[in-house]
Amino acid sequence: GAVVSQHPSRVICKSGTSVKIECRSLDFQATTMFWYRQFPKQSLMLMATSNEGSKATYEQGVEKDKFLINHASLTLSTLTVTSAHPEDSSFYICSAREWQDNYGYTFGSGTRLTVV
Amino acid sequence: DAKTTQPNSMESNEEEPVHLPCNHSTISGTDYIHWYRQLPSQGPEYVIHGLTSNVNNRMASLAIAEDRKSSTLILHRATLRDAAVYYCILRDNYGQNFVFGPGTRLSVLP
Repeated sequence: GAVVSQHPSRVICKSGTSVKIECRSLDFQATTMFWYRQFPKQSLMLMATSNEGSKATYEQGVEKDKFLINHASLTLSTLTVTSAHPEDSSFYICSAREWQDNYGYTFGSGTRLTVV
Repeated sequence: DAKTTQPNSMESNEEEPVHLPCNHSTISGTDYIHWYRQLPSQGPEYVIHGLTSNVNNRMASLAIAEDRKSSTLILHRATLRDAAVYYCILRDNYGQNFVFGPGTRLSVLP
């Protein structure tokens, strides 16, 4: 089946630095990728939707200048958390949809970000 | 996307069947019923989906009420590895993202 690889699986960074998270579709082309954030004991919340070759669409309340999303190819999307602060510590998850599949999405294994 | 209602938590004994309910009284005719599960510290994993008819796959079965206002995910023999949060999500064929509710946290007792 379709596989989405997310890297790194966990990262610790200092407050004020930037962190990049990669999401790759390994065996399919993903025209659309989604980025979610999940705080402890809570459900996934959609942050943004990225379409290959165009600007990402951010959900209300998500700062686009802080969470930079790039979807430059059909197999790679990146999320960069800029000037990270402790409140950005969370579990970040990407998902991808194959261009011809309207039924299901494949999710990455998530990235645990801890900002100290 | 229409809203779903699930119990916050359920418990099951290992090797027994588990029936996870989901209510979706405002479902529209074009909404598919999707089930995903999330193991601890993992991304969600696809389980099953259906529209009107009951569905079976290697992981589970999905029983859909005739009026489609509710559905039940059936795990035929629960194992310890089935302990996870199970999400019931409605999405039509043209929808973009999945909207996750709180889900049902399933505990499996040995």
